Amino acid sequence: GAGVSQSPSNKVTEKGKDVELRCDPISGHTALYWYRQSLGQGLEFLIYFQGNSAPDKSGLPSDRFSAERTGGSVSTLTIQRTQQEDSAVYLCASSPALVYEQFFGPGTRLTVL
Amino acid sequence: RKEVEQDPGPFNVPEGATVAFNCTYSNSASQSFFWYRQDCRKEPKLLMSVYSSGNEDGRFTAQLNRASQYISLLIRDSKLSDSATYLCVVLMDSSYKLIFGSGTRLLVRP
Repeated sequence: GAGVSQSPSNKVTEKGKDVELRCDPISGHTALYWYRQSLGQGLEFLIYFQGNSAPDKSGLPSDRFSAERTGGSVSTLTIQRTQQEDSAVYLCASSPALVYEQFFGPGTRLTVL
Repeated sequence: RKEVEQDPGPFNVPEGATVAFNCTYSNSASQSFFWYRQDCRKEPKLLMSVYSSGNEDGRFTAQLNRASQYISLLIRDSKLSDSATYLCVVLMDSSYKLIFGSGTRLLVRP
């Protein structure tokens, strides 16, 4: 079946602009996660959803970052007033439930000029 | 101290070699453990879960030592296609976050 998909695959934006990243999880997966990976670095947890609810937002780097999930499916990660340090690959993952293995999408490579 | 620590490598081994990676974690309450593989500029993919009794999948063997809080991955008969970064991952059941190590890079040469 189809895996996790993310769009866009690449995004180049100017400092100060807002960006919206989209994730389509595997059908039926109730849990959805956002991570980011900076060049040469490990993955940094940002936020997870169980259904439409995000119980833990502590991983979001600043109040410029927000995420939502509607209908228990698609999720969007929004970064307002982007900064150069926001440049990274943003990865989305989904799993059938919270304690199961996570399946990753191909990521969105964000470059802030 | 990082929650999950790995030797970054790289480990440079010839084809056919056996190579082992270790990983340590700091939170004794961690419940679930995984090894993921990440190819250059690709997303991480699950290689195998790590069970308390140890588990094997073909040429790959994973072990967990809860008392010492470390996880290992053994790769036998290395193939060129094994070249990748191997990520040690711990699931914090209390928060449902996957905590990733920064990865160990493996290069298998002909």
